[in-house]
Amino acid sequence: DGGITQSPKYLFRKEGQNVTLSCEQNLNHDAMYWYRQDPGQGLRLIYYSQIVNDFQKGDIAEGYSVSREKKESFPLTVTSAQKNPTAFYLCASSTNRDRGSGYTFGSGTRLTVV
Amino acid sequence: AQSVTQPDIHITVSEGASLELRCNYSYGATPYLFWYVQSPGQGLQLLLKYFSGDTLVQGIKGFEAEFKRSQSSFNLRKPSVHWSDAAEYFCAVGSGGSYIPTFGRGTSLIVHP
Repeated sequence: DGGITQSPKYLFRKEGQNVTLSCEQNLNHDAMYWYRQDPGQGLRLIYYSQIVNDFQKGDIAEGYSVSREKKESFPLTVTSAQKNPTAFYLCASSTNRDRGSGYTFGSGTRLTVV
Repeated sequence: AQSVTQPDIHITVSEGASLELRCNYSYGATPYLFWYVQSPGQGLQLLLKYFSGDTLVQGIKGFEAEFKRSQSSFNLRKPSVHWSDAAEYFCAVGSGGSYIPTFGRGTSLIVHP
């Protein structure tokens, strides 16, 4: 079955470290997204990409970076510049051919700073 | 700019009771409207969606939602709640010009036995 795989499920980061969260989809979706979820704040958009080799900043891009070298993959790097990275990170994808189709989400990565 | 409001942070219902979760949006044209459900520690799953046509939309897990343009609302309903429905529910609104929907802050559903 097609879907989105996020790894790892849990990730611990030391102060000053960069870490990369993986997101892979086999749905043949054009667009991919990264959201950050904090308790009581809903989902906030970090970055999104509508086609390969192109991506745009979302509402809270500072301290994060992404790449989109392949259609299937959209990794997110949390850099040391992100001052409060502890959160639940969700990757999603969608087709560009039907904007009303909604998103497919991965199961998330919980990042904790230690 | 589009926006979506879920007025209730928490809702508590008894198992077997009916449920209505509220969602209000702000957008000039006909929006795309979605409801998602999130179990603890998991991603979001699409329950149902609306863009055009019949204003009463049926979704998975026995949920339905009704689009009311005059009230700018898209409330989620279920006639009889099961304990397994306890989760976080998110309403989202998208526009014809944007691929990016705006999500509400979510409503946490607690189900008492």
